[in-house]
This record gives sequence, C-alpha cells and structure tokens, in this order.
Amino acid sequence: EVQLVESGGGLVQPGRSLRLSCVASGFTFADYGMHWVRRAPGKALEWVSGISWNSGVIDYADSVKGRFTISRDNTKNSLYLQINSLRIEDTAFYYCTKDTGPSTTNFWFDPWGQGTLVTVSS
Amino acid sequence: DIQMTQSPSSLSASVGDRVTITCRASQTISGSYLNWYQQKPGIAPKILIYAASTLQGGVPARFSGSESGPDFTLTINNLQPEDFATYYCQQTYYIPITFGGGTKVEIK
Repeated sequence: EVQLVESGGGLVQPGRSLRLSCVASGFTFADYGMHWVRRAPGKALEWVSGISWNSGVIDYADSVKGRFTISRDNTKNSLYLQINSLRIEDTAFYYCTKDTGPSTTNFWFDPWGQGTLVTVSS
Repeated sequence: DIQMTQSPSSLSASVGDRVTITCRASQTISGSYLNWYQQKPGIAPKILIYAASTLQGGVPARFSGSESGPDFTLTINNLQPEDFATYYCQQTYYIPITFGGGTKVEIK
C-alpha cells in the first residue's frame, strides 16, 4: 500500500522555524516527484513547493520563496520542508503528496498524506 | 500565475441530484493538465479525475469530467451521501501549480 506520513507540525511563534518531514512507503520513492500542498483554515488548497525525482528541479510558490526549502533523501524515502521566518498566514495543514510523474509538472498528485498542522501564533 | 476560477463556490443539493462544477483557467491550458480532487473534512484530498476526463481507478462512474472550449466541468450524477465534500480543480502545466477556489457541495 502506498503511504505518506507527515510529521513535524506544531504551535510555533512568528519568526521561528520548523522542519516538516514526510516518510514514504509502498512505492519506489526515488522515481517520482514530490510536493507540499497546504490548506489554511477556511481557505482553498495552495501548492507550496515541488521537487523532482533527483532534486534537479525545485519549484516554489511566490508566497514562500526565500523562506521555505524543500529537499528529499531518496536513501531514506523521505521528503522535507524547512520553514523559516514563520508568519501568521503560514498557519495551515501541510500535506505531502506524490507526483505521478518524475518531475514537478504535467501530471497529478496521488496519494496524499494525512497532513500535519502548523499553527503560527504568539 | 494561472488563475483557476471555479464556480459555484458552494451549492446545496439532494441525494440523487446531478451536480455540475465548472473551472476556467486564466490562460489556455490543455486538458491533459487539468485534474479534479475531492476533500472531505479532516481527510486528505483524493484524486478523482486526471487529464480532464480520465477517471482514477476506484472512483465511482457517477463522476465524470469534460472539456468544452476554455471550460472544464466535473459532473456528479445521482449524488450520494458520501459525495458531500469540497471539490478542487488543478492545473499542472505551469509553475506555480494552481488550484481552483473550491466548490463545497452541501446537503439540501
């Protein structure tokens, strides 16, 4: 069974940092692009970042560029999101999701993890 | 950025109804890069239809997708209780990848 399990969320003060992790199982992790998508309370899904199978292509939403860093370790079947300079508006459920292709575009996302909640508040 | 405009933003329907949700991109995109997801409260999103009209395995045949000019449509025939959820369109051709604003399907 293909499975994605996120961790690392929590309550954080504005300006602080957090690192989210996603462990994958049930498929050849190194063959696929991966993404982070978030959903803020009462808002729509927002794509945050994507990384290709070999980390050769990395993309970010403008809203997080310069503050968020996506990375992966294919030896550990793991995806990461380093979040710096957290803002109130970063409060959201963060989902790890697998691309159905090797890069970051042209395909669709399946499956999705259960999400990890990041709450930014003083 | 490509804006994905979904309509309506919410609707009320009864079990057995036919429901239609529309999505339009701010720039022309090929249907090959238009996908539909379903999200229920507290549950991760799930792919329903990819490439505008291809049903994901395991998704009931009452769901269908189509493309007509600039508009992409998700249709749910014979609405079932488990279909009450929020639906999103997504384009994956341009970076940044963008989602529509969502359509919440509620019970009438």
